[in-house]
Amino acid sequence: EPEVTQTPSHQVTQMGQEVILRCVPISNHLYFYWYRQILGQKVEFLVSFYNNEISEKSEIFDDQFSVERPDGSNFTLKIRSTKLEDSAMYFCASSPRGQGRLQPQHFGDGTRLSIL
Amino acid sequence: SQKIEQNSEALNIQEGKTATLTCNYTNYSPAYLQWYRQDPGRGPVFLLLIRENEKEKRKERLKVTFDTTLKQSLFHITASQPADSATYLCALDMGLGYGQNFVFGPGTRLSVLP
Repeated sequence: EPEVTQTPSHQVTQMGQEVILRCVPISNHLYFYWYRQILGQKVEFLVSFYNNEISEKSEIFDDQFSVERPDGSNFTLKIRSTKLEDSAMYFCASSPRGQGRLQPQHFGDGTRLSIL
Repeated sequence: SQKIEQNSEALNIQEGKTATLTCNYTNYSPAYLQWYRQDPGRGPVFLLLIRENEKEKRKERLKVTFDTTLKQSLFHITASQPADSATYLCALDMGLGYGQNFVFGPGTRLSVLP
């Protein structure tokens, strides 16, 4: 069964540095998402992406964050000037088109980001 | 803003019993609601979707109900097994654009004891 893959599984970065988290969504999916989960807390929506542009974003997704689909397969989340509070698990998800919004999201297993 | 509560942080039940998890939300009712399972260190995995005009949905040992009057969804696992031990999340789509914008509940950690 096709799956969403995320790399790296664990990223350790010094505070103030830039980090890029990478995701390969399921190949025929058209909608892409990033979420984060701070340890012990709930999963929080960051951004949705469709047709090469941001569809929606949350209050968390400020100017520090950006997303890109640089080619036909990868979907990236860039975090500039990282802060300690950016430490979290970051999940990528994708969903197919069809039946409007009534689609399950398929999640990767996340990248654990640790800011030192 | 939409707030979601799930009945308890943790639920312990004996193998073979039915587990019932609750999801309550405030503000307006969504057109549909989804339930996910999350294992430690893994991403959420989709289980079931129920629309606002559906009272009940079943899939094997799983059953979901949706009461828009009470603003509540119940998630049942019958004949529970130790392998059902995980955190269960409900999610509401708050999206206005083309994509979904899921608000997840905090989850209920289910432990099925042998």
